[in-house]
Amino acid sequence: AQSVTQLGSHVSVSEGALVLLRCNYSSSVPPYLFWYVQYPNQGLQLLLKYTSAATLVKGINGFEAEFKKSETSFHLTKPSAHMSDAAEYFCAVSDPPRGGNMLTFGGGTRLMVKP
Amino acid sequence: ETGVTQSPTHLIKTRGQQVTLRCSSQSGHNTVSWYQQALGQGPQFIFQYYREEENGRGNFPPRFSGLQFPNYSSELNVNALELDDSALYLCASSSAGSRVNTEAFFGQGTRLTVV
Repeated sequence: AQSVTQLGSHVSVSEGALVLLRCNYSSSVPPYLFWYVQYPNQGLQLLLKYTSAATLVKGINGFEAEFKKSETSFHLTKPSAHMSDAAEYFCAVSDPPRGGNMLTFGGGTRLMVKP
Repeated sequence: ETGVTQSPTHLIKTRGQQVTLRCSSQSGHNTVSWYQQALGQGPQFIFQYYREEENGRGNFPPRFSGLQFPNYSSELNVNALELDDSALYLCASSSAGSRVNTEAFFGQGTRLTVV
């Protein structure tokens, strides 16, 4: 069975500082990996996805993530935080045949950005 | 092009009642998935419909059931509501049943409160 662990349910950074949100997964097969963002009272928006091509994936709003098979990790980073980045972030995994469907999500990390 | 729309946005039900939630998929999408997101947690996969048939199910009891219609819209039905069913229910649509690189687009969700 697949699982996703997001270390740190809350992360606080200053505006302009590096954002690092951690995600580790377990899967019996090489997975597809996703990062979603959720703003208050809204659904989920896809930030980026890894589907076995380049290990460094660039997404929207300046975010990127690196797939590290040896560490079973897919951490999300952004060089400089903006106030508008404050939101809940979810890492998710799926089996490749399912593409972006039937996702298994982590528990989420709430990002707070201080002025 | 319209996105994924869910109705109603909020709902309050009494324990033991039944509820139906509705989802209109994004134009051109033929696959719908449903997720339950309890407060402070990540979404959990309930089930997926493709071409009007359930083609994947998470760890949810049979009192959670669904339908997909010829226009690809979908319903989620929950019988014998329990207090723990209180959650945000998210619908996601995509363009294929299980094709690789499929991206799921999420609706805003229905907030169900069971009292």
